[in-house]
Amino acid sequence: AQKVTQAQTEISVVEKEDVTLDCVYETRDTTYYLFWYKQPPSGELVFLIRRNSFDEQNEISGRYSWNFQKSTSSFNFTITASQVVDSAVYFCALSESRNSNSGYALNFGKGTSLLVTP
Amino acid sequence: GAGVSQTPSNKVTEKGKYVELRCDPISGHTALYWYRQSLGQGPEFLIYFQGTGAADDSGLPNDRFFAVRPEGSVSTLKIQRTERGDSAVYLCASSLGETRTDTQYFGPGTRLTVL
Repeated sequence: AQKVTQAQTEISVVEKEDVTLDCVYETRDTTYYLFWYKQPPSGELVFLIRRNSFDEQNEISGRYSWNFQKSTSSFNFTITASQVVDSAVYFCALSESRNSNSGYALNFGKGTSLLVTP
Repeated sequence: GAGVSQTPSNKVTEKGKYVELRCDPISGHTALYWYRQSLGQGPEFLIYFQGTGAADDSGLPNDRFFAVRPEGSVSTLKIQRTERGDSAVYLCASSLGETRTDTQYFGPGTRLTVL
């Protein structure tokens, strides 16, 4: 079963528009972590944010903001005043324990490809 | 400081051949992960090392895949008798490993093409 769902496959916006990328997750753990990564055309995954399941405060970092809602199992990502450099594939990921000896392997969604045009 | 490095960046091989992919984690990171990313998909977990030992290899698709980390730093992912379906980008990530909450930092990946 898919643990992380990113329903938007592709989004295209014009520069300076705001855009929200949706992420819905599924877990039975009470303690878990959620992440967003950016994958630009160069291919390297760039860490953006980590949230733990006990902290539902929304976070803002410059033009980026994240809305975590446990009631709806969602962790959405908004880019304000988008720029061409924001064009990339964005992945939401869930980190939960797989077994007592494991680290927190990440379960990724399929990603949302964002294209920002001038 | 230096990030996670992976070599080679690209590898083209023929079906049935053996390949090795190398990952050099961030210095001081004890946890190391391998993921595989197929076209249009998110990365999928393969194996996790804490130090020298493979603590979780549940993501390895079959026994043709094997990974080692003999000195607790560099890791090598080995694929025997490659198949066309093994074509993907293989990503390595490392984290401090001091707590299970540490953020994973990814390398640029190795693009494997099996002809």
